[in-house]
Amino acid sequence: DTAVSQTPKYLVTQMGNDKSIKCEQNLGHDTMYWYKQDSKKFLKIMFSYNNKELIINETVPNRFSPKSPDKAHLNLHINSLELGDSAVYFCASSQSDRGGEQFFGPGTRLTVL
Amino acid sequence: KNQVEQSPQSLIILEGKNCTLQCNYTVSPFSNLRWYKQDTGRGPVSLTIMTFSENTKSNGRYTATLDADTKQSSLHITASQLSDSASYICVPHSGAGSYQLTFGKGTKLSVIP
Repeated sequence: DTAVSQTPKYLVTQMGNDKSIKCEQNLGHDTMYWYKQDSKKFLKIMFSYNNKELIINETVPNRFSPKSPDKAHLNLHINSLELGDSAVYFCASSQSDRGGEQFFGPGTRLTVL
Repeated sequence: KNQVEQSPQSLIILEGKNCTLQCNYTVSPFSNLRWYKQDTGRGPVSLTIMTFSENTKSNGRYTATLDADTKQSSLHITASQLSDSASYICVPHSGAGSYQLTFGKGTKLSVIP
C-alpha cells in the first residue's frame, strides 16, 4: 500500500502553461507539505497545510497555489510555468505540524521547455 | 538564521567498508534531529531521530550520534552495501512547527563493488 502517492511522476510542458500535481496520503495524517528539489538536490519547503491552515514560504511565487479538497489530499497548481520551475516536487505528510517524521511521496519531475 | 552544513558533499566507498557522515547545525532552540535517506528518484525516508538527551542511536547498520552542545551529529554506516548508495539528509528541528524544519543539502554516498 502506497502511503503518499503523487501523480503524475513525470510532467513535461511548455512555458506559460498551467499544470497541476496531485497528492494523496492514506496515513490519516493531519499535515501535508509540498517541497521543491532543484538540480542541486536541495529540498525547500513550499507549503505546509494543517487543519485548513496554510503556511506559505514567502519566497514561493504566487503562481503556485495549493488546493486541499480534504485532509487526505493536497494538490499543487502552477500557473504560467517558467523555465526555472523545472525541478522535482515532493509531497509529504506528517501526523501533526510539530516536527514529527515526514513521509514523502515518490516525487514529480517537472520539466518546462 | 537556522543553517545546516553537511560533509562531505559526496563520498565513494568500497562495498563492505565503513563511513561516517557529518552534520553541523545552528538551529536554536533545538528539539530533535532526523537523518533521512533518499534513494535516487525517490522521496526521503526517515532513518533515525535523535532527541536532545540522546547521544547515540542505532538502526541496524546505521548509528547516529548527537552532541547538542557542539551542535553536531554524525551518521555512521557499518559494513556498507550497494543498497546504501543514496543521499543522506540531516534535518534538525527547533520544536516549533514543522514548517520550521531545516533540511541539509545532503551527502551523496556511492558504494561500489
